[in-house]
Amino acid sequence: EAGVTQSPTHLIKTRGQQATLRCSPISGHTSVYWYQQALGLGLQFLLWYDEGEERNRGNFPPRFSGRQFPNYSSELNVNALLLGDSALYLCASSFGQVSVGQETQYFGPGTRLLVL
Amino acid sequence: AQRVTQPEKLLSVFKGAPVELKCNYSYSGSPELFWYVQYSRQRLQLLLRHISRESIKGFTADLNKGETSFHLKKPFAQEEDSAMYYCARSSFSGGYNKLIFGAGTRLAVHP
Repeated sequence: EAGVTQSPTHLIKTRGQQATLRCSPISGHTSVYWYQQALGLGLQFLLWYDEGEERNRGNFPPRFSGRQFPNYSSELNVNALLLGDSALYLCASSFGQVSVGQETQYFGPGTRLLVL
Repeated sequence: AQRVTQPEKLLSVFKGAPVELKCNYSYSGSPELFWYVQYSRQRLQLLLRHISRESIKGFTADLNKGETSFHLKKPFAQEEDSAMYYCARSSFSGGYNKLIFGAGTRLAVHP
């Protein structure tokens, strides 16, 4: 079974630019999550999409946005990049989470974003 | 707000020593608790979950509802256990269940 895939693996941008990160969930999973893993800060929840809708977002400014497509893949967009946005961005997927026991999230390898 | 607290950013032990990674959660209902692990150059992956009551790679975790804790333990640490460990809890709201992660604890096992 193919796992969660993310592209690109590395992304280099300059301040003020926009970055687009992509994620493909495990087949059959409808939920996609985005996390930021900055050095020394652990895992910070960014966004959660399920069935094409944004279900929840973490404590991040609006310039962090995204969407989920009909095939359940997802994009994370970061506008007006700042130096502090440099981090590993992780995507995870899970089954629809209506029931307890379906929350287990499976993570992708991440996209390392470097803002110069 | 529902929270997961991992008080230690870094835990450093010698090989063969016992290990306990602490995790406390805010009480709300009957959450499910999880431990995720991220080894160097590998993706974050599920280590174990409370509902399964299993031991994985020698690690166990007991849910203590009185203390709202879910500490991860291993009697004899191995060098290959060195990794970043995240505790997580389920959180049910708006008809959906989601996971809330702690900040993580880096375990360093020295030879």
